[in-house]
Amino acid sequence: AQSVTQLGSHVSVSEGALVLLRCNYSSSVPPYLFWYVQYPNQGLQLLLKYTTGATLVKGINGFEAEFKKSETSFHLTKPSAHMSDAAEYFCAVSDTTRDDKIIFGKGTRLHILP
Amino acid sequence: SQTIHQWPATLVQPVGSPLSLECTVEGTSNPNLYWYRQAAGRGLQLLFYSVGIGQISSEVPQNLSASRPQDRQFILSSKKLLLSDSGFYLCASTFPRGSYNEQFFGPGTRLTVL
Repeated sequence: AQSVTQLGSHVSVSEGALVLLRCNYSSSVPPYLFWYVQYPNQGLQLLLKYTTGATLVKGINGFEAEFKKSETSFHLTKPSAHMSDAAEYFCAVSDTTRDDKIIFGKGTRLHILP
Repeated sequence: SQTIHQWPATLVQPVGSPLSLECTVEGTSNPNLYWYRQAAGRGLQLLFYSVGIGQISSEVPQNLSASRPQDRQFILSSKKLLLSDSGFYLCASTFPRGSYNEQFFGPGTRLTVL
């Protein structure tokens, strides 16, 4: 069975500071990994995904994430936070052997301090 | 690309009343379809998913049901709403093959049960 753990339900960073949102996963098969962003009262939007190949994945809005198999991690980073980055972020994992569900973490709400 | 429509956008219903939320998908055929619920501060809960017309899998036993009368239509229903049914309901869609299980989300329906 697959699972996702997001460390920290709330993270606060100052505008212009580094954003780091942590995600660890558990999977018995090679995973697909995703980060989604949700703004208030909206659906989820894909930020980036890892499927195969390069382990550093770049996404929209200046975000990137690195797949580290040895650490079973897929942390999301952005060098410089902007006020518009305030939102909830979800990490998710999927089974590469099945056309099926994806498992979401519980989410991390990112607060940007002026 | 896929577009997912949900309606209504917001709904206020009394306890014990029926419910029908609709989701339709454009831009793809034979997608997998999903219903999620977000209760305040509780992340995403998968309620139902469907791999084809008339094929529904339930993830959480409750007073909700789902139906898929057409390939790109997914309906969430209840005969009698409970207070605990309040939340933000999201419909999602994937291509069944070759999509790495990436999910596309609709804009959501905010349900308040009074």
